[in-house]
Amino acid sequence: QQPVQSPQAVILREGEDAVINCSSSKALYSVHWYRQKHGEAPVFLMILLKGGEQKGHEKISASFNEKKQQSSLYLTASQLSYSGTYFCGAHPHSGGGADGLTFGKGTHLIIQP
Amino acid sequence: KAGVTQTPRYLIKTRGQQVTLSCSPISGHRSVSWYQQTPGQGLQFLFEYFSETQRNKGNFPGRFSGRQFSNSRSEMNVSTLELGDSALYLCASSLGGTHQSDTQYFGPGTRLTVL
Repeated sequence: QQPVQSPQAVILREGEDAVINCSSSKALYSVHWYRQKHGEAPVFLMILLKGGEQKGHEKISASFNEKKQQSSLYLTASQLSYSGTYFCGAHPHSGGGADGLTFGKGTHLIIQP
Repeated sequence: KAGVTQTPRYLIKTRGQQVTLSCSPISGHRSVSWYQQTPGQGLQFLFEYFSETQRNKGNFPGRFSGRQFSNSRSEMNVSTLELGDSALYLCASSLGGTHQSDTQYFGPGTRLTVL
């Protein structure tokens, strides 16, 4: 079952913050975040494993709440280069690495100058 | 390190034809996964190959098949094309470990249009 991402789309001014959520009805073991710009391949951002881990990459960070089966991606002081579609990919708890990632439908992020 | 490469980048076919797409993973990666991306359904998992064996399969009809060679390169085949097969087909490579932390890196995709 697909993770549910929210919001579906968001428009920000440069410098504003954004939060993108990814929820699953199934237990999660890991959450993978990707960003895809129009006409390009999805680019890996970060992976979070169970345990409430939080990771960061420059001004982009994420958290993973295993109990709530939810992950959130935080974009701080957004830059024009952050524009794109953000996908979360989930591994089900019962699956192993052999299971394919199940992706949410994506969140379209537009950063305006 | 060179990234994941996919060929061809664009294809136009007609209904009923078949098509073969190719993916070369990052050097040292042994797992190749294939995904179909459409505006309506998003990214959907097709199958994964590891060491020349299909290790997992998504929920797609048997018209979609694949294989992997000893050098980890993979091909995907779609037979009897339908209009609904028009999509961006992405392959992703990873080291292939069974841990959920195994990270997948995507290629640029092949844009298939079925007329």
